[in-house]
Amino acid sequence: AQKITQTQPGMFVQEKEAVTLDCTYDTSDPSYGLFWYKQPSSGEMIFLIYQGSYDQQNATEGRYSLNFQKARKSANLVISASQLGDSAMYFCAMREPNSGNTPLVFGKGTRLSVIA
Amino acid sequence: DGGITQSPKYLFRKEGQNVTLSCEQNLNHDAMYWYRQDPGQGLRLIYYSQIVNDFQKGDIAEGYSVSREKKESFPLTVTSAQKNPTAFYLCASSRTPGTSGGASNEQFFGPGTRLTVL
Repeated sequence: AQKITQTQPGMFVQEKEAVTLDCTYDTSDPSYGLFWYKQPSSGEMIFLIYQGSYDQQNATEGRYSLNFQKARKSANLVISASQLGDSAMYFCAMREPNSGNTPLVFGKGTRLSVIA
Repeated sequence: DGGITQSPKYLFRKEGQNVTLSCEQNLNHDAMYWYRQDPGQGLRLIYYSQIVNDFQKGDIAEGYSVSREKKESFPLTVTSAQKNPTAFYLCASSRTPGTSGGASNEQFFGPGTRLTVL
């Protein structure tokens, strides 16, 4: 079974609108961390936002927020006020257990296209 | 500026040849990682190292080898045993937990090397 599932291969959003990118995960470990990365066409991976399994509040970083629903094992990324520069691949990833330097497991990604 | 460098950016290899991809970081991070990315796919872990002179296999280590003789460097060799090496290779590092920084201990990535087998 996949650890991280991103069901949307591609998404389109109008500039200045909000968009939600879906991510579900599978783990039996109570301690885990969830990450979202952005990959522009240049290929670099840019860290966006993090949510720990014990965090009480949903994470926010500027225009990015994470809709964390623990019981449903989902960690959707919400981008508000989309910009043309948001067009990129977006990857959800998990670290389990959430300790040390355990490597991340990545989903297959969602390609977001922002339309003017 | 601190960061991760990978070289070369593009690499072409003939079948049957070994090639080595360079990864250097000046972030003073203990842990380093190698991932492979195929078109339309996520990242898959090849090898990782949490400390100098120690490394562990990831999910797709067959046909690859690494060394970690210095904290700053984690080169990846793609051997002739790797049947389908054409891919984009990303190196990453992360700090020692408990040192300065937030709870996320996120991985920092280099710009990547695109390897093509001719």
